[in-house]
Amino acid sequence: DAGVTQSPTHLIKTRGQQVTLRCSPKSGHDTVSWYQQALGQGPQFIFQYYEEEERQRGNFPDRFSGHQFPNYSSELNVNALLLGDSALYLCASSRQGVARNEQFFGPGTRLTVL
Amino acid sequence: AQSVTQLGSHVSVSEGALVLLRCNYSSSVPPYLFWYVQYPNQGLQLLLKYTTGATLVKGINGFEAEFKKSETSFHLTKPSAHMSDAAEYFCAVGFMDTGRRALTFGSGTRLQVQP
Repeated sequence: DAGVTQSPTHLIKTRGQQVTLRCSPKSGHDTVSWYQQALGQGPQFIFQYYEEEERQRGNFPDRFSGHQFPNYSSELNVNALLLGDSALYLCASSRQGVARNEQFFGPGTRLTVL
Repeated sequence: AQSVTQLGSHVSVSEGALVLLRCNYSSSVPPYLFWYVQYPNQGLQLLLKYTTGATLVKGINGFEAEFKKSETSFHLTKPSAHMSDAAEYFCAVGFMDTGRRALTFGSGTRLQVQP
C-alpha cells in the first residue's frame, strides 16, 4: 500500500514566479490537507480539500490556492512567490468520518525561492 | 482558538536515559492529541494519539504519553533512549468537529541522544 506521495521532491524558483505542488493521498483516503513548515518551525495549516472543495483554510493569503481532482489527488499552487515562501510543504491525507482526524503525511516538497 | 506549547526546543539525553518531551495545549473543547516524529529530510510519522478513553497512550518505538486534563498536558516519555530516537518531535492538537479538522502543531523539540 503506497502511502502519501508528493512531487517534486525539491524545487527552486525565483521571486514572482508561480509553482504547483502535487499530492496523491493514501489509498482509501478522500481528504487532503496542506501544511507549510518553515525551517525550525512546526507545520502550519494552509487548507483542506474534500469532495473537490476547499473545506477549511488557515491564515494564508489568496496567493495560495489549491485543487482536488476526482481521484482525490490534490495540487497546491502558489503565485507571486516571495522569499518567505521558502519552506517544506507537507501534504496529509485522511478519511472523513474515520479514525479521529488521524492524518498521514507525505515526505514533503522542499521549495526554495531565490 | 487552540494552541500547543512545547517546552524546550532542544533536549539532550544520554543513551539509556529517560526521555521526557513536554507538551501543553489550550482548547475550549476536548481535544484529540498527537505526537509526530520527523527525521531529517522526511515527512511526519505518527508516534501515538489520544482520542478518548484511557489517558495513558502507548505508541510505536517504546514511546508513551499521558493525557492530563487538569494540567492540559500531553507529555511524551520513553524509559530508555536509543541513538535512533534522535529526531524532531511535534505535538499537535486536533478536533473531530467537522469544522475544525486542521491540526495545530507546536514548534517542535529536537531530541539529541548522546552515546
